[in-house]
Amino acid sequence: DTGVSQDPRHKITKRGQNVTFRCDPISEHNRLYWYRQTLGQGPEFLTYFQNEAQLEKSRLLSDRFSAERPKGSFSTLEIQRTEQGDSAMYLCASSLAGQAFNEQFFGPGTRLTVL
Amino acid sequence: AQSVTQLDSQVPVFEEAPVELRCNYSSSVSVYLFWYVQYPNQGLQLLLKYLSGSTLVESINGFEAEFNKSQTSFHLRKPSVHISDTAEYFCAVSEYNQGGKLIFGQGTELSVKP
Repeated sequence: DTGVSQDPRHKITKRGQNVTFRCDPISEHNRLYWYRQTLGQGPEFLTYFQNEAQLEKSRLLSDRFSAERPKGSFSTLEIQRTEQGDSAMYLCASSLAGQAFNEQFFGPGTRLTVL
Repeated sequence: AQSVTQLDSQVPVFEEAPVELRCNYSSSVSVYLFWYVQYPNQGLQLLLKYLSGSTLVESINGFEAEFNKSQTSFHLRKPSVHISDTAEYFCAVSEYNQGGKLIFGQGTELSVKP
């Protein structure tokens, strides 16, 4: 399967712990996006990369959040000192930039529960 | 700033009935418009998109949406729904030349009953 994959699919952690999620985009895609989706809401944009450069970060992304895409392929999203309000589904999407429109393909998400 | 409002959080309908899921957006610049679908326990999938040209766009499974610039709306319709259309539907916008980030509405849960 050559779709977007995310790991882990589920993560349960205690408040105050650090967590890291991984996203593997479709191999030829140079853009990678992170979104967060809470229960009953639509996904909210967090950040995106073009190749290894992080080009935009949402105000939702507090200083406890950091994202990297070191070699322009997979990406990681780390949350430090987790809080109960961080409980959500974290979605990754990838696309091929350079066209008038670049369709984003979404992964299955990582569901985070902070106890 | 961009925003998307989906006017109905839940829409229950009977099988073979028509349905309309409403979406309004706010933006000061030109946008692309999308409908995404999320089936139970699955990821988001693009259902249809409006980029330019004809204001009426169609999906392969019978849904259509019409871009109305004056009303800043992009409502989704299907003349006859199936049980298998039960899912969460999200309207989204993306501004031109803004890196492609998507701004989503709150979602509409379509529940098709026999």
